[in-house]
Amino acid sequence: AQRVTQPEKLLSVFKGAPVELKCNYSYSGSPELFWYVQYSRQRLQLLLRHISRESIKGFTADLNKGETSFHLKKPFAQEEDSAMYYCAALGQGAQKLVFGQGTRLTINP
Amino acid sequence: EAQVTQNPRYLITVTGKKLTVTCSQNMNHEYMSWYRQDPGLGLRQIYYSMNVEVTDKGDVPEGYKVSRKEKRNFPLILESPSPNQTSLYFCASSSTGGARQPQHFGDGTRLSIL
Repeated sequence: AQRVTQPEKLLSVFKGAPVELKCNYSYSGSPELFWYVQYSRQRLQLLLRHISRESIKGFTADLNKGETSFHLKKPFAQEEDSAMYYCAALGQGAQKLVFGQGTRLTINP
Repeated sequence: EAQVTQNPRYLITVTGKKLTVTCSQNMNHEYMSWYRQDPGLGLRQIYYSMNVEVTDKGDVPEGYKVSRKEKRNFPLILESPSPNQTSLYFCASSSTGGARQPQHFGDGTRLSIL
């Protein structure tokens, strides 16, 4: 079955420390992968997607097909990074976006 | 302002009383979808629509209906709501390319079915 797993419900790190939010997927073929973020009192929005290979707000995510992972990383966390993060996947030729359970990231001052 | 608007934002109702949650977007988007968000389960897709009169089931469609008579509107209908449909609901839309494009989400509708 198609599945996206975010093993950490909660993640807390100190400002300036590196942060990594884990995401694993279970899909046949080559899915497209995304990270969405919801800041406090804001709408859920796209952070980045693997096909763009870009860095947004200092975050990057590398697709590792061997480990079927798409972990989100940032070398130096900032307080404004505190938010709820969702990993999502889209199967080849599909239009059903599957989300993980979400990770609430808290950056401590 | 480009946005997705859901109404109502909050609703408390009783089992069996039909209700409709409206979703409207002003971005001329083709793709629209509905999700429910439950603790520990993340967002799960209920239905999606590629364009007018084209709808398809997501992962959890049971107990829900949708229609897409106009491009801008995508209402979610609960014909006979039950307590297990108590949840936070999100509508989203995106441009040509569907789910591959950035999804624009509404603010959410919190439903409580007693």
